[in-house]
Amino acid sequence: NAGVMQNPRHLVRRRGQEARLRCSPMKGHSHVYWYRQLPEEGLKFMVYLQKENIIDESGMPKERFSAEFPKEGPSILRIQQVVRGDSAAYFCASSRDRNNEQFFGPGTRLTVL
Amino acid sequence: AQRVTQPEKLLSVFKGAPVELKCNYSYSGSPELFWYVQYSRQRLQLLLRHISRESIKGFTADLNKGETSFHLKKPFAQEEDSAMYYCALRGSGYSTLTFGKGTMLLVSP
Repeated sequence: NAGVMQNPRHLVRRRGQEARLRCSPMKGHSHVYWYRQLPEEGLKFMVYLQKENIIDESGMPKERFSAEFPKEGPSILRIQQVVRGDSAAYFCASSRDRNNEQFFGPGTRLTVL
Repeated sequence: AQRVTQPEKLLSVFKGAPVELKCNYSYSGSPELFWYVQYSRQRLQLLLRHISRESIKGFTADLNKGETSFHLKKPFAQEEDSAMYYCALRGSGYSTLTFGKGTMLLVSP
């Protein structure tokens, strides 16, 4: 089992562009979580998805951010019209069910110029 | 609201010395507490959780509901323990984790 995969590992965007971050959960895991880590901060929850459904998006900014986890393929975190404040490390985690251990991916480091 | 506080950004000890990484939490219900560790150039991984009451790599942590703390302890630190340590909380009925800001542990020879 390769573990949770995230790509790209590093992403550079100019202000106003779109950023797409991908997360492939571990085999057999249908629950995906996205967290954001700003410099000098801990990880902060953004959104929790279970195949094709958003279960909890209470941590997601209301504008410009969206997430999906289609029936086939990876989960996608999409940030439209990026701003400098979006620069952060974005981590994805997956679990077999909602109460099981969350396994983390290596993260995507987004830099907005 | 739930909150996790790790008061130390950096803890530096010598090899063989005892280690205690502090974690305090704020939550009105019965939380589940975790310690995650991130070694250099590796991904975040679960070190231990309070419900399992086990010792991993010599580390233990006891949930103290009276003091709302979940401090991580090891009697004799090793150089390979150097890493970033995050305390995390999961509220009852929730699946998501609330993390502290982390403590960097540096163990010198």
